[in-house]
Amino acid sequence: SYELTQPPSVSVSPGQTASITCSGDKLGDKFACWYQQRPGQSPVLVIYQDSKRPSGIPERFSGSNSGNTATLTISGTQAIDESDYYCQAWDSSTVIFGGGTKLTVL
Amino acid sequence: QVQLVESGGGLVKPGGSLRLSCAASGFTFSDYYMNWIRQAPGKGLEWVSYISRSGTTIYYVDSVKGRFTISRDDAKNSLYLQMNSLRAEDTAVYYCARGEYGITATATWYYYMDVWGKGTTVTVSS
Repeated sequence: SYELTQPPSVSVSPGQTASITCSGDKLGDKFACWYQQRPGQSPVLVIYQDSKRPSGIPERFSGSNSGNTATLTISGTQAIDESDYYCQAWDSSTVIFGGGTKLTVL
Repeated sequence: QVQLVESGGGLVKPGGSLRLSCAASGFTFSDYYMNWIRQAPGKGLEWVSYISRSGTTIYYVDSVKGRFTISRDDAKNSLYLQMNSLRAEDTAVYYCARGEYGITATATWYYYMDVWGKGTTVTVSS
């Protein structure tokens, strides 16, 4: 079965750029999307179809996908961005989630 | 506004059953795929099941096949998850989410979930 691998944790200083990766076999041939989940809240879609932002998502969130790796980039990271982030792809007619990455802003 | 509200969670003994419901509002329910996703305490997201717009296409994660049944009632704008033979490992917050599914001009399929409910908690314990 298809698997997506994320680093368990990423740290970033306020105002700096955070990059969270998601790896899977030939992931670049599929679409990746990303969800943000703040503590105690439901997930929120922040990137879909590799690089598109839903309405209401700040421009500092961007995405890319090539080869075996999709990347979520947060520019000018703010304290409110401290959350868990999950990548997701579609494979063999099923939904696949990565294991999640805890972003710490310190 | 677009909203999904789950209900039906609770405490159930191993081997027992529960039926979760998800009430949709603010959009044309019948136009969308719908999903159940769960999150065990302290763990990541796990997709459980989806049902197509017409209800003719249904998929489940392997761990719930034969035990869980997803269904929808477009007249009531509602999604359901019938959970039987529950196990301790089914303990989780269960989220309902709206799915966007399609194919681009470059023939690449996409599927993402753009609206999520707040979840309902299922605890399986004796």
